[in-house]
Amino acid sequence: GENVEQHPSTLSVQEGDSAVIKCTYSDSASNYFPWYKQELGKGPQLIIDIRSNVGEKKDQRIAVTLNKTAKHFSLHITETQPEDSAVYFCAASRDFGNEKLTFGTGTRLTIIP
Amino acid sequence: KAGVTQTPRYLIKTRGQQVTLSCSPISGHRSVSWYQQTPGQGLQFLFEYFSETQRNKGNFPGRFSGRQFSNSRSEMNVSTLELGDSALYLCASSPLTLANTGELFFGEGSRLTVL
Repeated sequence: GENVEQHPSTLSVQEGDSAVIKCTYSDSASNYFPWYKQELGKGPQLIIDIRSNVGEKKDQRIAVTLNKTAKHFSLHITETQPEDSAVYFCAASRDFGNEKLTFGTGTRLTIIP
Repeated sequence: KAGVTQTPRYLIKTRGQQVTLSCSPISGHRSVSWYQQTPGQGLQFLFEYFSETQRNKGNFPGRFSGRQFSNSRSEMNVSTLELGDSALYLCASSPLTLANTGELFFGEGSRLTVL
């Protein structure tokens, strides 16, 4: 089955700096890669996703890059703000719209004011 | 529009007991998935239901079961509870329409503690 590894497990950055979280996956048939943000006491919320036919996708301060050859994808957050502090999860799935996501183990991001 | 509602939010059980968790999806969403979240393992897929049928199942023992009703509400059951079943159980719904973005909408979870 699919295995998703996520690094780092914790990350602290100064407010205004950039944060990068990296994930690798094992199943070459995976073609849908979402990122979820989980705030304390809440369920995860989708912040951005990318499909395998695209190498990069950007939404304001958030961007995701995908390297299918190397089987890794990354989340980039620029101009970080205190409200970016949360746990971030990457995930992978074989089929777009397939609810069977394999998640990474999460990255706790702390923004230092 | 109301979000995904999970009940109960917190519960404490003892080993050997059973538990039933409930999930009401967003109105109009026909797919309901369940995930187990633990500090060491992250989020692990349990199962997914669509139109009262289980379409996908994760690698959990048979003590974990679920069902979906005609109104798309779902329940999951864990029998013969073990200490290792202590976790946050998350339910997620998805619209599965042609315009579907693939997004899962998660509830806030049911936190189960097994003593």
